Amino acid sequence: QQQVKQSPQSLIVQKGGISIINCAYENTAFDYFPWYQQFPGKGPALLIAIRPDVSEKKEGRFTISFNKSAKQFSLHIMDSQPGDSATYFCAASRDGGYQKVTFGTGTKLQVIP
Amino acid sequence: DSGVTQTPKHLITATGQRVTLRCSPRSGDLSVYWYQQSLDQGLQFLIQYYNGEERAKGNILERFSAQQFPDLHSELNLSSLELGDSALYFCASSVDYTGELFFGEGSRLTVL
Repeated sequence: QQQVKQSPQSLIVQKGGISIINCAYENTAFDYFPWYQQFPGKGPALLIAIRPDVSEKKEGRFTISFNKSAKQFSLHIMDSQPGDSATYFCAASRDGGYQKVTFGTGTKLQVIP
Repeated sequence: DSGVTQTPKHLITATGQRVTLRCSPRSGDLSVYWYQQSLDQGLQFLIQYYNGEERAKGNILERFSAQQFPDLHSELNLSSLELGDSALYFCASSVDYTGELFFGEGSRLTVL
């Protein structure tokens, strides 16, 4: 019940295209859904996050879409750029006195010119 | 710069040896997490500490142990090292009421 399933494992997108990464969760107690971006040799860094009281959140070219009933959320990268090439992890957690963050398996995105 | 400091950045050692990885969390963060990332793999959760106490345990081997000290820094001890332990080890910290983790740059361990 703690799993977060992420797809696809890898993704190649042309520059200017839309990159879409999907995640599904099982635990309905999760109430915080962040996305992390990791460049080679670096630690993951928070990119954007959403709570289940909204269906969409947009920050620049990055948008999270959230479907509470389907227990799914996705990351859309509009106008993808070569600099977006990285590994993206979705995650889920539950607020509380302490929380454990459950990560998806990661998607390696390559944006080609 | 996330504010999380990990040392050493690189470590090369032999099988059977023991190493200690160190993590200093962001100022004010009480929670520390350790993750293992093997080549082109995802983030495997090892263990979490909150204000000195163990709070959650993941797929951490018995040969591995960790602790968080009163000054909130944490150490991950890896013993009887095997070739398969070669990986990036990340420490992350959080304020602890959100899932927003701040990761260090990682410690790359190579076991020869």
